[in-house]
Amino acid sequence: GQQLNQSPQSMFIQEGEDVSMNCTSSSIFNTWLWYKQEPGEGPVLLIALYKAGELTSNGRLTAQFGITRKDSFLNISASIPSDVGIYFCAGQLTNGNQFYFGTGTSLTVIP
Amino acid sequence: DVKVTQSSRYLVKRTGEKVFLECVQDMDHENMFWYRQDPGLGLRLIYFSYDVKMKEKGDIPEGYSVSREKKERFSLILESASTNQTSMYLCASRATATYEQYFGPGTRLTVT
Repeated sequence: GQQLNQSPQSMFIQEGEDVSMNCTSSSIFNTWLWYKQEPGEGPVLLIALYKAGELTSNGRLTAQFGITRKDSFLNISASIPSDVGIYFCAGQLTNGNQFYFGTGTSLTVIP
Repeated sequence: DVKVTQSSRYLVKRTGEKVFLECVQDMDHENMFWYRQDPGLGLRLIYFSYDVKMKEKGDIPEGYSVSREKKERFSLILESASTNQTSMYLCASRATATYEQYFGPGTRLTVT
């Protein structure tokens, strides 16, 4: 299957700081999704991106579809304790139906 | 409110046992998925189904089978559980015309 590499693997930040994470692939994707998984729950969709260069926001979250179509970025501004969780990217190949998930970024926010 | 439910949150089984994990969705979605989640590996697709009685292998189907007799229900079967199948199992469903997958809360399976 496709390998999506997320970085960083984990982050420990102070409340109020901004967060950046990214997801890269060796293949070209036509859709990128960003999910958040809270402890004990399944992932929940945060943002969906459909074309190269697209920049989409959802509250304090902003995600971008990379120009090369091989990467995507997620930023969280002014982090708060409830941002804690694991963030996953997921991408869909141009000629496929399946979504491939990244390895996840674990975020800890210190009050 | 959309809902995907999984039969158990925690399960402990012995090596060699046959294990059934059940998933039910109430959104009339055509597509259903089974993933396993392991630290550092993210979510990996085991099997998916586009319709009743239909199934397709994902990236890691070995050691698993599935059953979809009704649209709302998708079962994952471990024919003979092994310790390397200890993992978190997540079920998801999706409507055909959309990208969003709705996930269940997961089943943490331990095989001893």
